[in-house]
Amino acid sequence: AQSVAQPEDQVNVAEGNPLTVKCTYSVSGNPYLFWYVQYPNRGLQFLLKYITGDNLVKGSYGFEAEFNKSQTSFHLKKPSALVSDSALYFCAVRDMGYGQNFVFGPGTRLSVLP
Amino acid sequence: ETGVTQSPTHLIKTRGQQVTLRCSSQSGHNTVSWYQQALGQGPQFIFQYYREEENGRGNFPPRFSGLQFPNYSSELNVNALELDDSALYLCASSLEVQGNTEAFFGQGTRLTVV
Repeated sequence: AQSVAQPEDQVNVAEGNPLTVKCTYSVSGNPYLFWYVQYPNRGLQFLLKYITGDNLVKGSYGFEAEFNKSQTSFHLKKPSALVSDSALYFCAVRDMGYGQNFVFGPGTRLSVLP
Repeated sequence: ETGVTQSPTHLIKTRGQQVTLRCSSQSGHNTVSWYQQALGQGPQFIFQYYREEENGRGNFPPRFSGLQFPNYSSELNVNALELDDSALYLCASSLEVQGNTEAFFGQGTRLTVV
């Protein structure tokens, strides 16, 4: 069965500093990996995905993620954090069985301090 | 905004009652999935509908049921509500059942069971 781990419940970073939100996964076969962000009282917003190709994926709002097959990781990064980036971040993998639903990690709360 | 709308945004029900949640998918999308997000957790897959047929189901009891209509909008029905059903219910729509595509989420329905 597919699974996703986000080892940090909370990440704090100062505005203007680089940020990293960690994600590791366990899948059978090639992974389809996604990052979503959730702001308070809102649904999930798509940030970026890795399907195949270049290991560095660029997405919305200046975010990027690095796929590392040997470490089974897909860490989310941004070179310079903004206070408005403060939100809940979810890493997800597609379950390639029937329905191909998302399997989400538990989420990491990012706080960017001014 | 994603174009996926859910109603109502909030509701309160009593244990044992029944509830129906509604979702209007993004224009052109024929696949709708429902997820349950308990407080402090990642979303959990309930089921998916593709062209009006159930196309995948997560580990939820049969009292969770659904429908998809010819216009691809969808309903989630929960019978015999339990306190643990209190959660944010998210609807996601996508174009076809393809693992390499992202899904677009609505803002969710916050259900409180008392």
